[in-house]
Amino acid sequence: GQQVMQIPQYQHVQEGEDFTTYCNSSTTLSNIQWYKQRPGGHPVFLIQLVKSGEVKKQKRLTFQFGEAKKNSSLHITATQTTDVGTYFCAGQGNKLVFGAGTILRVKS
Amino acid sequence: DAGVTQSPTHLIKTRGQQVTLRCSPKSGHDTVSWYQQALGQGPQFIFQYYEEEERQRGNFPDRFSGHQFPNYSSELNVNALLLGDSALYLCASSFLKTSGANVLTFGAGSRLTVL
Repeated sequence: GQQVMQIPQYQHVQEGEDFTTYCNSSTTLSNIQWYKQRPGGHPVFLIQLVKSGEVKKQKRLTFQFGEAKKNSSLHITATQTTDVGTYFCAGQGNKLVFGAGTILRVKS
Repeated sequence: DAGVTQSPTHLIKTRGQQVTLRCSPKSGHDTVSWYQQALGQGPQFIFQYYEEEERQRGNFPDRFSGHQFPNYSSELNVNALLLGDSALYLCASSFLKTSGANVLTFGAGSRLTVL
């Protein structure tokens, strides 16, 4: 069945450093979504990518969708303590399948 | 504009019991999805309801069942509870009818502990 793998599982960075999480699907996707879950909270939608090779930016966050529509990445420039949380990708194939998430910790 | 509301927020059950969780979708949304999130893991898709019908289902046993009402609210029922059913149960709503986009708004979840 459809699987979504996400790496790394965990990353601890110094405030001001960059952060990247990668997402790979076993099947071609119609779109990919990214969510952020703060500690003790629930997932909150960040963005949806639909087109092959699409790149979208939200302030310090840059999202990419691969040419084959099977992989994606989220890059955060100059992390801040407010970026702390777990970042999930979710791939839309027959179903919307979530990756296991990347936990980001930021040391000030 | 109310978001997604879930009840109860926390509950404790014993093995073999049954549980019902409730969800009211965000105003204007017509579709409800349920996810199970174990500690340290990503949300696992249980099923999705649209127009009072189960539209899609994940790899969960028949002990997990649901319902959607005419006002779009939804219930998740779990029978014969197992210890492994302990998790955060997340309800998420979306608007499929015209947008076709399955972009989810999550509720705060119901934390189920099975003893």
